[in-house]
Amino acid sequence: DIVMTQSPDSLAVSLGERATINCKSSQSILYSPNNKNYLSWYQQKPGQPPKLLIYWASIRESGVPDRFSGSGSGTDFTLTISSLQAEDVAVYYCQQCYNPPYTFGQGTQLEI
Amino acid sequence: EVQLVQSGAEVKKTGESLKISCKGSGFSFSNTWIGWVRQMSGKGLEWMGIINPGDSDIRISPSFQGQVTISADKSINTAYLQWSSLKASDTAMYFCARHSSQIVTFDVWGQGTLVTISS
Repeated sequence: DIVMTQSPDSLAVSLGERATINCKSSQSILYSPNNKNYLSWYQQKPGQPPKLLIYWASIRESGVPDRFSGSGSGTDFTLTISSLQAEDVAVYYCQQCYNPPYTFGQGTQLEI
Repeated sequence: EVQLVQSGAEVKKTGESLKISCKGSGFSFSNTWIGWVRQMSGKGLEWMGIINPGDSDIRISPSFQGQVTISADKSINTAYLQWSSLKASDTAMYFCARHSSQIVTFDVWGQGTLVTISS
């Protein structure tokens, strides 16, 4: 199985400041034939299902604010929130969809 | 509207059987994959497996192999997660989600089904 490791486990950021969450896969999740990284980011607020934010490592899902961005390739990926808003308090997960089982990272709790 | 609607919360006893459901609407149910994700209280997301309702092709995590059964009925746009003998450790929230073949990720999620197992 591909192991996904996020860092940090928790993060406190002031309103309006930048938040950065890292995700590392135990093997490359870059699919060479189409040059796409099969890495997604989700946001989960208490009592809600996860919400897709980013797919293919850097493509924002429709309706997701542009303060959310994803980057990285191969084994190292980053989710950046450029200017933290109060409604961004949540747990963030990365997931690889390169090889089943499509494993998740352990989650990062983002607080203000 | 594209959506997945899951069956309601369940309270069962150890050793009992259970089947929970996930009904899709607003999209071609037979031409996609539907997955199941476990979330134990206060913990992270665990990928359990996915099924293609069109041909019943299944990919299941080794961690859940033999512990649960994933199935689907494409005639009623419904996927299922089933246990034959529940354990206390099966207590969790279970989410279904659409695994989009176009963008290769879970893009639509159900609201979750809380399963509580008591002895």
